Amino acid sequence: NAGVMQNPRHLVRRRGQEARLRCSPMKGHSHVYWYRQLPEEGLKFMVYLQKENIIDESGMPKERFSAEFPKEGPSILRIQQVVRGDSAAYFCASSLNKNTEAFFGQGTRLTVV
Amino acid sequence: KQEVTQIPAALSVPEGENLVLNCSFTDSAIYNLQWFRQDPGKGLTSLLLIQSSQREQTSGRLNASLDKSSGRSTLYIAASQPGDSATYLCAVRGNFGNEKLTFGTGTRLTIIP
Repeated sequence: NAGVMQNPRHLVRRRGQEARLRCSPMKGHSHVYWYRQLPEEGLKFMVYLQKENIIDESGMPKERFSAEFPKEGPSILRIQQVVRGDSAAYFCASSLNKNTEAFFGQGTRLTVV
Repeated sequence: KQEVTQIPAALSVPEGENLVLNCSFTDSAIYNLQWFRQDPGKGLTSLLLIQSSQREQTSGRLNASLDKSSGRSTLYIAASQPGDSATYLCAVRGNFGNEKLTFGTGTRLTIIP
């Protein structure tokens, strides 16, 4: 049973481009969470999704950021018109349900140049 | 709003010593608490999960306790080894519509050979 898979591991985008980050949860997990980690800072919650539904997006910036978790395929975190301040590590986690152990992927490190 | 605090922010101890890491949280309405370790540039590895109804969990040299009413958890590491050097993070999962994981800022542990 593979763990949580994130790709790409590293992503470089120029200012104004779009970044698409993918997360495949562990097999059987239908709950996905996205977090952002800035250098030397803690993990900040962004969004919590369950298959085809956004449960909690209280941590998502109001503009340029969106997330989805379709019935088939990975969860996608999309950042439009990236700016230098979007440079960070983005982590995805999954769990079987809302009160079981959460497992994290290795993260995608986004660099905006 | 849930706030999670970890003290100390950094800790250095000689190899072989036992040590305790502390985590406190402000809202006791939680489903569970989870301890993770993060190595530099890597993702998070789950160490222990304690459900809100439990008092402690053990895995090998690790023992985590939970006192929900006082909003505290400790992670005890016995007979520390250089390989234990990492940042340790605690995270609480809320309940009743607030099921995201809220993280502390972590304790950076260094084991001195």
